[in-house]
Amino acid sequence: SQELEQSPQSLIVQEGKNLTINCTSSKTLYGLYWYKQKYGEGLIFLMMLQKGGEEKSHEKITAKLDEKKQQSSLHITASQPSHAGIYLCGASGGGADGLTFGKGTHLIIQP
Amino acid sequence: NAGVMQNPRHLVRRRGQEARLRCSPMKGHSHVYWYRQLPEEGLKFMVYLQKENIIDESGMPKERFSAEFPKEGPSILRIQQVVRGDSAAYFCASSPTRTSGGGADTQYFGPGTRLTVL
Repeated sequence: SQELEQSPQSLIVQEGKNLTINCTSSKTLYGLYWYKQKYGEGLIFLMMLQKGGEEKSHEKITAKLDEKKQQSSLHITASQPSHAGIYLCGASGGGADGLTFGKGTHLIIQP
Repeated sequence: NAGVMQNPRHLVRRRGQEARLRCSPMKGHSHVYWYRQLPEEGLKFMVYLQKENIIDESGMPKERFSAEFPKEGPSILRIQQVVRGDSAAYFCASSPTRTSGGGADTQYFGPGTRLTVL
């Protein structure tokens, strides 16, 4: 079965600084999804990547999928308090309907 | 366009009671997925349903758990004779088409139901 490893598990960043979160898969990724979860709430869809080498941006968040389609990174530029939360990567494995998720990266933004 | 709706948001049950969790997918979405989020374990897929059909229940516990998505009305996740270990956040997601096989459609999540078993 597919497993997703996220790093770091938690991250404390000063407001205004850049940061990167990584997601590594044990198998080839057919679709890689990034979600954000605020504590005690649901998941908010951020971006989906499918093609090797693909890169997408939304506001100050950029996500990339490497050429081999086994690793993705999420980069936040000039972090703000609104970026705080849990970032989850999820993957569709090609044959399964349910997404497999990493355990998440807890992001804290210090003012 | 309203998002995925789940109710109740919080549910408290005593051991041995039944829990019923409801999910209304986004308008135009006919594919529903249920996930469970346990502390320290992350989000785990439970079951995938289309209208009146269970397509994939590979993540459902073998006993006490069942799910349905009737022709009319919301999808329901039912947990019979709840135990303390069932305490978790249960999330429902929906998509307009199937997301397996490299499908491009995104799963949109509801706010979740937080079940506490006393």
